[in-house]
Amino acid sequence: QQQVKQSPQSLIVQKGGISIINCAYENTAFDYFPWYQQFPGKGPALLIAIRPDVSEKKEGRFTISFNKSAKQFSLHIMDSQPGDSATYFCAASEGTYKYIFGTGTRLKVLA
Amino acid sequence: DSGVTQTPKHLITATGQRVTLRCSPRSGDLSVYWYQQSLDQGLQFLIQYYNGEERAKGNILERFSAQQFPDLHSELNLSSLELGDSALYFCASSPRQGNEQYFGPGTRLTVT
Repeated sequence: QQQVKQSPQSLIVQKGGISIINCAYENTAFDYFPWYQQFPGKGPALLIAIRPDVSEKKEGRFTISFNKSAKQFSLHIMDSQPGDSATYFCAASEGTYKYIFGTGTRLKVLA
Repeated sequence: DSGVTQTPKHLITATGQRVTLRCSPRSGDLSVYWYQQSLDQGLQFLIQYYNGEERAKGNILERFSAQQFPDLHSELNLSSLELGDSALYFCASSPRQGNEQYFGPGTRLTVT
């Protein structure tokens, strides 16, 4: 019940296209859902996060869509750029404690 | 740059040895979290400290221990090292109010 399932494992998108990464969870006590971007050799960097009382949050080219009833949330990267090529992790947490991370999605944006 | 610092950047040691990883949180952050990232296990939460006290524990082995000092920096001690302990170890910190965690650049531990 503590798992966060992330898909796809890898994704190839053309420059200018939309990248979509999905996550699903079981624990209804989770109340915070962040997305992280990680480049090789670097630490994960917080991209955007959402709480269950909101169905969508947008920051620049990054949008989180949240479906509470389905217990799913997704990251959309609009106008994807080669510089977006990285590994993306979704996560979920309850309270201010540990994050449960998804397994990651390796995104490659072709120039 | 997240503002979280970790030292050393790389560490190579032998099986059976003990190492200490150090983390300094962002200015003003009271919480420190430790995570292990390996190829087969992904990012796994190890332990959290808040203002010097242990707050939550995850999949941390008994050979591993941590503490947070009065100046809020934290250390993760790994002992009796095994080959399988080779991984990236990340520290993250979070503000007094709020869930967001900011990760440091990590320490890459290689056990030979």
